[in-house]
Amino acid sequence: RKEVEQDPGPFNVPEGATVAFNCTYSNSASQSFFWYRQDCRKEPKLLMSVYSSGNEDGRFTAQLNRASQYISLLIRDSKLSDSATYLCVVNTGNQFYFGTGTSLTVIP
Amino acid sequence: SAVISQKPSRDICQRGTSLTIQCQVDSQVTMMFWYRQQPGQSLTLIATANQGSEATYESGFVIDKFPISRPNLTFSTLTVSNMSPEDSSIYLCSVEGGAGGGTGELFFGEGSRLTVL
Repeated sequence: RKEVEQDPGPFNVPEGATVAFNCTYSNSASQSFFWYRQDCRKEPKLLMSVYSSGNEDGRFTAQLNRASQYISLLIRDSKLSDSATYLCVVNTGNQFYFGTGTSLTVIP
Repeated sequence: SAVISQKPSRDICQRGTSLTIQCQVDSQVTMMFWYRQQPGQSLTLIATANQGSEATYESGFVIDKFPISRPNLTFSTLTVSNMSPEDSSIYLCSVEGGAGGGTGELFFGEGSRLTVL
């Protein structure tokens, strides 16, 4: 079983839509959780960390459910510039595990 | 945050040759990580470069194929040896956190896009 699993998509949504990505992880001892964004032909960049209480940064909301071992990312009021691949990353025992990424395209 | 410079940014190489990728960080870090991202795939950790000791390789990666140097706390190199077309990939250098590490976030270099003919 993979350490981190994501729906690869692609998700194609109109501007202004709300879209949610989920990610599951296999190791209950995982300690830290992140969402990264990767634009085409670019390196991944941290979008936001995911905290147990959930956290919000503008249009982006991240949630962690330890009981069910999944994390989510909600994007509200999608912009064209949100088009990218979103990577779920889990830190377990000081090792980082990456999901395969979810591709998002926001359509005008 | 950490600023990471990688070079070359891209290269096209003949099979059987070797290429060395350099990674420079703007602060001292204990561990530097080398990842590979094959087309359409996510990131796979190749090895962790430790200063003053041998690199730690992940399953499926060996030192003879991917020798790593770590001469100081701000610099590392990864060599892709005896290349084949299957080695065509993006190679990414990464560090954790800021100076001294430990914030739990990974920062990446811009990547080295390798094409092997």
